[in-house]
Amino acid sequence: EIVLTQSPGTLSLSPGERATLSCRASQSVSSRYLAWHQHKPGQAPRLLIYGASKRATGIPDRFSGSGSGTDFTLTISRLEPEDFAVYYCQQYDISPRNTFGGGTKVEIK
Amino acid sequence: DVQVLESGGGLAQPGGSLRLACGASGFIFSSYAMSWVRQAPGKGLEWVSSITGSGDTTYYADSVKGRFTISRDNAKNTQYLQMNSLRAEDTAVYYCAKGWGAYEYWGQGTLVTVSS
Repeated sequence: EIVLTQSPGTLSLSPGERATLSCRASQSVSSRYLAWHQHKPGQAPRLLIYGASKRATGIPDRFSGSGSGTDFTLTISRLEPEDFAVYYCQQYDISPRNTFGGGTKVEIK
Repeated sequence: DVQVLESGGGLAQPGGSLRLACGASGFIFSSYAMSWVRQAPGKGLEWVSSITGSGDTTYYADSVKGRFTISRDNAKNTQYLQMNSLRAEDTAVYYCAKGWGAYEYWGQGTLVTVSS
């Protein structure tokens, strides 16, 4: 099983600031089968990024993904009020036995 | 627009059963694998089970294998999760998700509580 470790656990930032979220895998994720999801309380999670760097349909370009192998990053260039949420990375290298990171909560400072 | 909507959650006793359903619309249901993912209180997301578009192949996490059964009715655009021999550790919000790689769409979830 590929274990994903996200850091930091909580990120306290102000609207307009840049957010950088990290996801580290216990072994290499081949073909960049790494996704990022946004989750707000009581709502359906939303796919932001797949293939490590491809934005899903309708996702604003302030969200970007990068990385390969075992180290991946989600960057939100300028935080909007609606971006405060929990973010999960997900590997699907061995679909359907996918695994998720523990999440990073982006909260208002 | 794509929509997936779960139903069937509730309170069950340890050792009891529940059946979850997930209705889908806005895409050709039979062309896509579907999955269930859960989140226990205060915990992260955990993949539970997946089923191919035709329904002929199913997959389960070790934690639910032998107790849960995933199925689908393509004529009704609905997938199901039959949960038997429920345990306290099965308490979670259960999400239905389209696909089995990067989950493209998710439902809002249905809460399952296992308690006496």
